[in-house]
Amino acid sequence: QVQLKESGPGLVQPSQTLSLTCTVSGFSLTSNSVHWVRQPPGKGLEWMGGIWGDGSTDYNSALKSRLSISRDTSKSQVFLKMNSLQTDDTAIYFCTRLLYYGYTRYFDYWGQGVMVTVSS
Amino acid sequence: NIVMTQSPKSMSISVGDRVTMNCKASQNVYNNIAWYQQKPGKSPKLLIYYASNRYTGVPDRFTGSGSGTDFTLTINSVQAEDAAFYYCQRIYNSPYTFGAGTKLELK
Repeated sequence: QVQLKESGPGLVQPSQTLSLTCTVSGFSLTSNSVHWVRQPPGKGLEWMGGIWGDGSTDYNSALKSRLSISRDTSKSQVFLKMNSLQTDDTAIYFCTRLLYYGYTRYFDYWGQGVMVTVSS
Repeated sequence: NIVMTQSPKSMSISVGDRVTMNCKASQNVYNNIAWYQQKPGKSPKLLIYYASNRYTGVPDRFTGSGSGTDFTLTINSVQAEDAAFYYCQRIYNSPYTFGAGTKLELK
């Protein structure tokens, strides 16, 4: 069955780089798209960016200068790297699969999320 | 960028009531809207895609409607387990912007 699981450090110091891994199972990264969505405590959802089956990437313009998404298809892993972290980057970070066919798209499976706190 | 505006921000409903929540896009998004339910401490769950298509396993009391810029999520005969946040999302071209959410509380 389809599963996604995020992993990474729970605490990052200000100005440092966040590195997260999304390990997927039950589907191939070469024919599916995986995206990152974050949620600050008590706030709403923010789409960050994603990687498509062909390896191309899409980024939220507000984060594009700091964000990089890549993958290792042999390990079924998608990576998020974001630099210059500040306290307002404190959030739960989710990875999610974007299912797409024809004009239809939706995020159908989500990981459990990983809480990242930016603090010294 | 297209802005998704949800209303109301919160609502308090009794079990068995019918509830309607709204999502307005700042530009025409055709039918490219999804709705998600999120309970505290959990990841979002897909309810509706392409404005009005119920996702697999979603109870038929959840109905999505609308097109263009105005969309509605209706829950008929609300159950206690429906207490949650509900988010709409523009979903075809990026950025895949979410609305700020509607909090549904049960009286």
